[in-house]
Amino acid sequence: DVKVTQSSRYLVKRTGEKVFLECVQDMDHENMFWYRQDPGLGLRLIYFSYDVKMKEKGDIPEGYSVSREKKERFSLILESASTNQTSMYLCASSSPGGATEAFFGQGTRLTVV
Amino acid sequence: TQLLEQSPQFLSIQEGENLTVYCNSSSVFSSLQWYRQEPGEGPVLLVTVVTGGEVKKLKRLTFQFGDARKDSSLHITAAQPGDTGLYLCKGAGGTSYGKLTFGQGTILTVHP
Repeated sequence: DVKVTQSSRYLVKRTGEKVFLECVQDMDHENMFWYRQDPGLGLRLIYFSYDVKMKEKGDIPEGYSVSREKKERFSLILESASTNQTSMYLCASSSPGGATEAFFGQGTRLTVV
Repeated sequence: TQLLEQSPQFLSIQEGENLTVYCNSSSVFSSLQWYRQEPGEGPVLLVTVVTGGEVKKLKRLTFQFGDARKDSSLHITAAQPGDTGLYLCKGAGGTSYGKLTFGQGTILTVHP
């Protein structure tokens, strides 16, 4: 059974903390993505990576950074968490090509207080 | 950024009714996908359409890709409570190369 696994289902962090969200996939996919999901706004792309050590900004990269040191792992970093970063974060992976299926993790519900 | 507009944003219906969800854009996509997301889970792929005018059926679900490859629709016949969830369309190709462009989603609730 193919899997994308996010390290936490729920996280509560304080304003100003550095937050790491981890994502691991076991399908040897080249592409990995981080989204945030907010009511009425759908899925908004934060960053994506098409290879190890490669990254591209998505639509809302401000306040976030990413790291991809190994093919199977893609980390999202909130350098200094703020309350407006409270959201559901979803990681996805896919093979190259737009028509390929994207596989998602179960999501991390992050609350910044 | 290529935008996908979904409508309606919310849909609340009774079991047995039919419904249609729309996904529209001013941009051309090489393919379009529909995903369904249940509470507490990530989205899961339902179908991929790649040819303008293409129609695909998945049991009670019918998916259509517009002739100009700018829009798509999802029609559900005789909806059931198990169809409840968030439906998302995703476009690929064109200027969105490398990115996965999603619509904002349609929340469907089917009441028994």
